Amino acid sequence: AQKVTQAQTEISVVEKEDVTLDCVYETRDTTYYLFWYKQPPSGELVFLIRRNSFDEQNEISGRYSWNFQKSTSSFNFTITASQVVDSAVYFCALSAGNNQGGKLIFGQGTELSVKP
Amino acid sequence: DSGVTQTPKHLITATGQRVTLRCSPRSGDLSVYWYQQSLDQGLQFLIQYYNGEERAKGNILERFSAQQFPDLHSELNLSSLELGDSALYFCASSVASADSYEQYFGPGTRLTVT
Repeated sequence: AQKVTQAQTEISVVEKEDVTLDCVYETRDTTYYLFWYKQPPSGELVFLIRRNSFDEQNEISGRYSWNFQKSTSSFNFTITASQVVDSAVYFCALSAGNNQGGKLIFGQGTELSVKP
Repeated sequence: DSGVTQTPKHLITATGQRVTLRCSPRSGDLSVYWYQQSLDQGLQFLIQYYNGEERAKGNILERFSAQQFPDLHSELNLSSLELGDSALYFCASSVASADSYEQYFGPGTRLTVT
C-alpha cells in the first residue's frame, strides 16, 4: 500500500525561527516521486518541489530546504528564518506505480502558523 | 497563478441536485486530474484524463463522472448530491501522464450542499 504520513498536525513558531515539517512515506515501488505543496489561507495549492527516488541529494531554494532519506523513508521540509507569509498548510505527496498515470497520494497536511 | 482555471469558484446547491464543475488546464498540458478536499477525508484523487481518455480512477463515487473534451478542458459532473459531498474540488494539470510530472492546481471550486 502507498501512504504518506505527516505526523505534525499543527506547528506554531515565532517569526525568524527555523521549522521542520516531517513527511514519512510508504511504497513498494523502487521508482517513485515525492512532492511538497503549500496551501495558503486563500486556498489554492502551490507546487514547491519534486524529488525522484534515485536522487537523494538535498535541495535548497532560498529559505526552503528539503532532506530526502530513503533509509528512513522520509522527505522533510525545513523553512529557515520563517516569515508570517509562510503561514499555510503544507502537504507532502507521493506518486508511484502509476504506469499510465500520475495520481498523487497526499498526507494529511501540517498547518504552520508563523506569528510576528 | 498556476495557469489552471476553474469555474465556478463557489457553488451552493441543495441535496439531490446535479452540478457541473469546469476546468481548463495550463496551455500545453494534456493531463487533467480531479481531487476532492474535505475535512474528514483530506485530499483525495478522483479521476484523471489524458488527451481525452480516462487514464486512472481513484475513490470516485458512481454518482460522479467526468470527461475531457477535444479542446482539453474537463468537466466534473456530480449528481444526486448529498450533504457529504460538500468539499473543495480541485483540478490539476500536467504536461504528460506519468508519476514524474508535477501537477499544477487550479484555485478550486467550493461546493456547499444544503
